[in-house]
Amino acid sequence: AQSVTQLDSQVPVFEEAPVELRCNYSSSVSVYLFWYVQYPNQGLQLLLKYLSGSTLVESINGFEAEFNKSQTSFHLRKPSVHISDTAEYFCAVSNSGYSTLTFGKGTMLLVSP
Amino acid sequence: GAGVSQSPRYKVAKRGQDVALRCDPISGHVSLFWYQQALGQGPEFLTYFQNEAQLDKSGLPSDRFFAERPEGSVSTLKIQRTQQEDSAVYLCASSSTFSSSYEQYFGPGTRLTVT
Repeated sequence: AQSVTQLDSQVPVFEEAPVELRCNYSSSVSVYLFWYVQYPNQGLQLLLKYLSGSTLVESINGFEAEFNKSQTSFHLRKPSVHISDTAEYFCAVSNSGYSTLTFGKGTMLLVSP
Repeated sequence: GAGVSQSPRYKVAKRGQDVALRCDPISGHVSLFWYQQALGQGPEFLTYFQNEAQLDKSGLPSDRFFAERPEGSVSTLKIQRTQQEDSAVYLCASSSTFSSSYEQYFGPGTRLTVT
């Protein structure tokens, strides 16, 4: 069985400050890792994913995440956040590309001026 | 192009009523997933279709929940004799097995409130 832990339910941060959203997973098999974002009143959107290869993956809007197998982590980071990054962020894991996703409980990122 | 659509967006049902939630996946997407998202929680898997075949229904919480995708496109999630604990947002997602992106595309969800 797989599980995902997002310890922080809410992360308040000021605009232009750096942020890290933590994600730890447990799985007995190889995993694929994902971060999804849900903006207010919108559906879930894929932000970035780790499938294989380089352990550092990046999104087009400045977020990055690093797969750390020894620590079973896939933390999401951004060096400088914007007001528009305010959203809920979900970490998810699957054991193959086309299988179901197991999600964490989500972290609400609140960016204030 | 059109994304995944779900209807209705909001549904209020009295306890004991039956409800039907519809999902229109992206055209051509073979895989279709249903998830349930309770308030303050992450989405939880309910069931998975590949074309019209329901390959996994291990997440359905009780036999009151039933899903179908008879022609391999539109899917319906039916909940019989709704209970208050069924109140949640029901998410549908689709993906293409011909793409190496492994991305599931989510619909906006149907918010079900059972009173």
